[in-house]
Amino acid sequence: GAGVSQSPRYKVAKRGQDVALRCDPISGHVSLFWYQQALGQGPEFLTYFQNEAQLDKSGLPSDRFFAERPEGSVSTLKIQRTQQEDSAVYLCASSRNVGNTEAFFGQGTRLTVV
Amino acid sequence: AQSVTQLDSQVPVFEEAPVELRCNYSSSVSVYLFWYVQYPNQGLQLLLKYLSGSTLVESINGFEAEFNKSQTSFHLRKPSVHISDTAEYFCAVRRQAGTALIFGKGTTLSVSS
Repeated sequence: GAGVSQSPRYKVAKRGQDVALRCDPISGHVSLFWYQQALGQGPEFLTYFQNEAQLDKSGLPSDRFFAERPEGSVSTLKIQRTQQEDSAVYLCASSRNVGNTEAFFGQGTRLTVV
Repeated sequence: AQSVTQLDSQVPVFEEAPVELRCNYSSSVSVYLFWYVQYPNQGLQLLLKYLSGSTLVESINGFEAEFNKSQTSFHLRKPSVHISDTAEYFCAVRRQAGTALIFGKGTTLSVSS
């Protein structure tokens, strides 16, 4: 695609509900990153994929957070049993290859847990 | 570990005035440096980056940033701002290609007439 696409753009979840956030990276991009951006803060790293391999998940805040990229393209970030502190914008970014320094960001999914 | 400090959370300026958004980083290794801009309801867009070579880097819309290794700074400047420059600006570092970006908390630039 022309850019990184994320869906849904907005998601309201009741506390305790499971959610799934989707990221369509730019076609052919090898690297994919997920970030969490709380209100008034900068994005914070969650996890990184190189193709289908999840090479770094050190930023995932708890075992309720899970990410996958089974075919090395589309990625899904799943949050189980959502809590109010999970409310944030979730950003996805992709890079053409491992050696490429520029990351292209999607518009994000704004998750509100009520 | 790397970290990024953006010293000003909000910078209000009048149109056509100069502006400087400050960014300092800490790292024990060489890093790549970036400025991203986020317009309302849009995703992050790369404004400019420093990888190596000339310490002064420029964007296509008049912004520039200078890498200062001794002061570990990468301040963003524009000699004359426009209303359309109103946005959130994020400074970021990356230790090497393929690793995650570490962002500052952002600076809100508000340009008024």
